[in-house]
Amino acid sequence: GGIITQTPKFLIGQEGQKLTLKCQQNFNHDTMYWYRQDSGKGLRLIYYSITENDLQKGDLSEGYDASREKKSSFSLTVTSAQKNEMAVFLCASSIGLLNYAEQFFGPGTRLTVL
Amino acid sequence: QQKVQQSPESLIVPEGGMASLNCTSSDRNVDYFWWYRQHSGKSPKMLMSIFSNGEKEEGRFTVHLNKASLHTSLHIRDSQPSDSALYLCAARGTNTGKLTFGDGTVLTVKP
Repeated sequence: GGIITQTPKFLIGQEGQKLTLKCQQNFNHDTMYWYRQDSGKGLRLIYYSITENDLQKGDLSEGYDASREKKSSFSLTVTSAQKNEMAVFLCASSIGLLNYAEQFFGPGTRLTVL
Repeated sequence: QQKVQQSPESLIVPEGGMASLNCTSSDRNVDYFWWYRQHSGKSPKMLMSIFSNGEKEEGRFTVHLNKASLHTSLHIRDSQPSDSALYLCAARGTNTGKLTFGDGTVLTVKP
């Protein structure tokens, strides 16, 4: 087994601010993901990383940057926070992009922009 | 245009009843379907996955897949209040390996 930790748990920012969210996993998984979940909705892929030093854009990458510092960690930066933005950002990891590879999710970072 | 459509949006069933949730992909380049359950304030947890035509049963949960219509359904028998959650369906892109999620079905099981 393993665990995914996300920091911070809650993030409050100001409009226009640059904000960074961090994710760590100890599954030794190659692939990591960042998703955004708006209230009561599904998950939308922001960025993913197939392996260390790789970055791939998802469907919602505009307004975000990502960084895969090492195999176990994946960071997401909101480049300019939008006023009244509220969402939960979920980090996930899997052994790869294989068809049977289950994605495991972290507890999330809840973002509020004032 | 949502590529993975789930229905109904919400569902209320009595304790002990049967809950049936539906999911269809409008993108034909998908191969695996995943069902995740997300309790309020928690992260999604994988329930079941399916890629072959037919059905797969695990305890109280049964998943069906029709590959021709790219429709999958999740059935929960003997529903319990602890089953109350957001149920998310995801389809895996055959070429990309990425998952596309639907908006989910909110299931409420009334005691």
